[in-house]
Amino acid sequence: GQQVMQIPQYQHVQEGEDFTTYCNSSTTLSNIQWYKQRPGGHPVFLIQLVKSGEVKKQKRLTFQFGEAKKNSSLHITATQTTDVGTYFCAGDFNKFYFGSGTKLNVKP
Amino acid sequence: DTAVSQTPKYLVTQMGNDKSIKCEQNLGHDTMYWYKQDSKKFLKIMFSYNNKELIINETVPNRFSPKSPDKAHLNLHINSLELGDSAVYFCASSPRGGNYGYTFGSGTRLTVV
Repeated sequence: GQQVMQIPQYQHVQEGEDFTTYCNSSTTLSNIQWYKQRPGGHPVFLIQLVKSGEVKKQKRLTFQFGEAKKNSSLHITATQTTDVGTYFCAGDFNKFYFGSGTKLNVKP
Repeated sequence: DTAVSQTPKYLVTQMGNDKSIKCEQNLGHDTMYWYKQDSKKFLKIMFSYNNKELIINETVPNRFSPKSPDKAHLNLHINSLELGDSAVYFCASSPRGGNYGYTFGSGTRLTVV
């Protein structure tokens, strides 16, 4: 079946360090979405990327969509404790499949 | 006003029982979904309805039956509950096709004992 692989599974950083999570697909995606789920919470939509090579920024978050539309990344600059949570990508294969998520822990 | 609301928030029940989870959205979205999140946090789609019509039915035991009385509501009924059904169930909605993102409900934590 269609799959979106996401790495790493876990990431522990010191506050102020950068963080990156990666999503990879074996097939071309129509678009990709990113979500954040706080501990005990529900996934919250962050952004959608549609175009090949697209880069979008939201404050300290930078989202990239690969040229071949098979991979994507989310980079957080200078993490804060409020960034704690699990970050999911969701690839569009005519319906959306979620990656396994990257759990980010930020030590103050 | 909560955009996607689901009830109950917690559900503890014995094996073999039948239970329902309700979901309502006030966003005017055409499409609604049920997702299951297991203990490892995998989010797996179960069903999707577009304007009351079933459009996605993943490999889910037929003990699970969704019902959409109108496009603002999508309920999930589970028969003969099993231990492996314990998980968090999320309802979500989106404009048609899922573009522009899904809005998730706060989840129902189901524990089967």
